[in-house]
Amino acid sequence: DTAVSQTPKYLVTQMGNDKSIKCEQNLGHDTMYWYKQDSKKFLKIMFSYNNKELIINETVPNRFSPKSPDKAHLNLHINSLELGDSAVYFCASSQYTSGGPHSTDTQYFGPGTRLTVL
Amino acid sequence: ELKVEQNPLFLSMQEGKNYTIYCNYSTTSDRLYWYRQDPGKSLESLFVLLSNGAVKQEGRLMASLDTKARLSTLHITAAVHDLSATYFCAVDERGGADGLTFGKGTHLIIQP
Repeated sequence: DTAVSQTPKYLVTQMGNDKSIKCEQNLGHDTMYWYKQDSKKFLKIMFSYNNKELIINETVPNRFSPKSPDKAHLNLHINSLELGDSAVYFCASSQYTSGGPHSTDTQYFGPGTRLTVL
Repeated sequence: ELKVEQNPLFLSMQEGKNYTIYCNYSTTSDRLYWYRQDPGKSLESLFVLLSNGAVKQEGRLMASLDTKARLSTLHITAAVHDLSATYFCAVDERGGADGLTFGKGTHLIIQP
């Protein structure tokens, strides 16, 4: 009954390759995200996506692209991998309820994918 | 640009002691989150603070939010070794649409 799942857990690849990381959530949430955690543990939002809007952090290279086949999935595709792409990538999801007294808006994170580019 | 600053970034303390982690942010948001991360693991949600003056407690951890001061605190009471982890605060500026902006994390080590 995993809430947010990612595959693969580990990904080792050569520079220049193209790879994808898959993410699925079974929480019925309407918004999904990708975050990057670097070697210093700093977390940064890359993308947020719901069925209406894709928001891209302006610092993310266009080699990275999210693809959402349906509301429960948001995959991350990376072209022409570079050494600096090595990091842990986390998928997350939440229900965007625009606040309110009963809103929790907690973002639930997947287990992470450790990407190593050689 | 939203900035979220945590301090301290590293904290070593003894079991049984009390301590506070501070989180300052630069926006007028009233939505702040605390997460815990163990080495090699994912982020676990600890607290969601959604209004000025919000206070939440779970076990030995208590979090509060002062939106006027743009400050949240995570207080640890009578620390135990199992609380050793990295703690992140994060701010939601636009109701989830933009994702969370995280602080750099506080690496907490609690020694017996």
